[in-house]
Amino acid sequence: QVQLVQSGGGVVQPGRSLRLSCAASGFTFSSYAMHWVRQAPGKGLEWVGVISYDGSSKYYGDFVRGRFTVSRDNSKNTLDLQMNSLRAEDTAVYFCAKALGGGILDQFDYWGQGTLVTVSS
Amino acid sequence: IVLTQSPATLSLSPGERATLSCRASQSVDKYLAWYQQKPGQAPRLLIYDASNRATGIPARFSGSGSGTDFTLTISSLEPEDFAVYYCQPRNNWPPITFGQGTRLDI
Repeated sequence: QVQLVQSGGGVVQPGRSLRLSCAASGFTFSSYAMHWVRQAPGKGLEWVGVISYDGSSKYYGDFVRGRFTVSRDNSKNTLDLQMNSLRAEDTAVYFCAKALGGGILDQFDYWGQGTLVTVSS
Repeated sequence: IVLTQSPATLSLSPGERATLSCRASQSVDKYLAWYQQKPGQAPRLLIYDASNRATGIPARFSGSGSGTDFTLTISSLEPEDFAVYYCQPRNNWPPITFGQGTRLDI
């Protein structure tokens, strides 16, 4: 069965960096675009970014402004989100998600369990 | 694409029928998904491409609509259906957007 298992997260000071990971299994990882979505406490869902199946294309939400980078390693079936220059407003639960049909602008059929990132001094 | 979900909160009882709406600021053809999210959990895909139930989703969930107006219907509410529901289109271009959510309360 499809599984997306996330790791990373925690408490980090403003301006510092953090890396989240998502380990995929149960499907042909290298055939699907993968996304990151976040949810601030008590708020709705906000799309963070996407990476194409082969890593050649990446897109981000407007708020990212060059601070975050999505990457993938198809040999290890892993997806990463490198977050730099973190701000208090980046505090949220971050989810990785698999694209339903594989495309970069698709709907999401499987989600990771989420990992909490808290940016605070 | 801006998505507007209504109502913001819907209060119903088990066994009743729930009708949730999602309106897009421009046509998304048939490419709209619905997700259910319970507290402390990841969202779960219910409906994709407006009317297709995802794997394992009970038949009491159905979706309809095209263009700019979409509806998620739960025919007879079960206790486990009380959650927050989000809609999301398959955009032609980033960013991907979500509706603000409808909270379904008992």
